[in-house]
Amino acid sequence: DVVMTQSPLSLPVTLGKPASISCRSSHSLVYSDGNTYLVWLQQRPGQSPRRLIYQVSNRDSGVPDRFSGSGSGTDFTLKISRVEAEDLGVYYCMQFTHWPHTFGQGTKLEIE
Amino acid sequence: EVQLVESGGGLVQPGGSLRLSCVASEFTFSGSWMAWIRQSPDKGLEWVANISPDGSAKSYPDSVKGRFTVSRDNAKNSLFLQVSGLRAEDSGVYYCVRDGGLKWGQGTLVSVSS
Repeated sequence: DVVMTQSPLSLPVTLGKPASISCRSSHSLVYSDGNTYLVWLQQRPGQSPRRLIYQVSNRDSGVPDRFSGSGSGTDFTLKISRVEAEDLGVYYCMQFTHWPHTFGQGTKLEIE
Repeated sequence: EVQLVESGGGLVQPGGSLRLSCVASEFTFSGSWMAWIRQSPDKGLEWVANISPDGSAKSYPDSVKGRFTVSRDNAKNSLFLQVSGLRAEDSGVYYCVRDGGLKWGQGTLVSVSS
């Protein structure tokens, strides 16, 4: 199975400051069609996960532009340009290039 | 608004069975890949079943293969997961998910314990 490794697992942040989460995969996530099926999910306390980013860098509808995704191959990053209170929660990367689809362990974004 | 509503979870003894259901609305269900994904404190998020729009293609990880069966009824906008031979490690919240994580339901809790 493809192992997804996130870092850090806990990220203390100051409101208004930037934040960055890394996700590394054990195998390249480039599919045979040339696309890279790497997404980022946000899970706020008590809620279901919500997709923020798909195919590495595309924001889903309604996602604020302070969220951005980047990377290629096996190395990916989620950045928040200025953290707001509503951004607190756990962030996951997920790949569905390879079966079984797999998730990172999650990064908990919390107030410093 | 797109909705996915799961039901069918509960407390079951080891070795028991359950049938989870998910009703979809406000999108073209018959054109969507669907999945069941579970979440537990011990194992995090785990994709347990995948099904193609017409139901002809299904995939399972080794951890549930032979015990879980995914199906769908496009006429009723419904997704199902038959789970059997349940083990303690199958406990968790089971989510119905659309199209590569685009939309998640609120989840249904499965607890396996004697």
